[in-house]
Amino acid sequence: AQSVTQLDSQVPVFEEAPVELRCNYSSSVSVYLFWYVQYPNQGLQLLLKYLSGSTLVKGINGFEAEFNKSQTSFHLRKPSVHISDTAEYFCAVSDGDDKIIFGKGTRLHILP
Amino acid sequence: AAGVIQSPRHLIKEKRETATLKCYPIPRHDTVYWYQQGPGQDPQFLISFYEKMQSDKGSIPDRFSAQQFSDYHSELNMSSLELGDSALYFCASSLGVGQGGGNTIYFGEGSWLTVV
Repeated sequence: AQSVTQLDSQVPVFEEAPVELRCNYSSSVSVYLFWYVQYPNQGLQLLLKYLSGSTLVKGINGFEAEFNKSQTSFHLRKPSVHISDTAEYFCAVSDGDDKIIFGKGTRLHILP
Repeated sequence: AAGVIQSPRHLIKEKRETATLKCYPIPRHDTVYWYQQGPGQDPQFLISFYEKMQSDKGSIPDRFSAQQFSDYHSELNMSSLELGDSALYFCASSLGVGQGGGNTIYFGEGSWLTVV
């Protein structure tokens, strides 16, 4: 069975500072990994995904994530955050043939 | 580009009433998923359909049922509503299940159900 653990429920960071949101996964088969963002009172938007190939994945809004198989991690990073990045971020996993399983989410607070 | 369309966007029902949510997948997508997101919670998988047949089942209460129609749209029917059913219900769609292709799942904006 697949599962995702997001290590931080909340992450405060100053505007224009870098940020890393941590995600670890467990799966007995090949995985596909995703990061979704949910802005306040809105739906889920796909930020980026890892299916295969290069382990560094670039997404929208300046975000990127690195797939690390040995550490079973897929951490999300952004070099400089903006107030508009305030949102809930969900890491998710799929075996490619089935549904997506979400982590508990990390709330990103941008401090002025 | 066309996205996943959900209706209604907001719905208020009383306890013990029935509610129906509709989902129209992205054109040519043949797989539909339903998720429930309670307040402050992560989205929980309820059920999915592939080519009009149920393909997987998650934590869907017995009071809920769903189906996928010939045009691939799906409906989630919820009966004997309880206060705890108040949540954001997401529909998502993808192209193909069982093809091992890492098909990306696209989510709709969600339907807000409030049970009072």
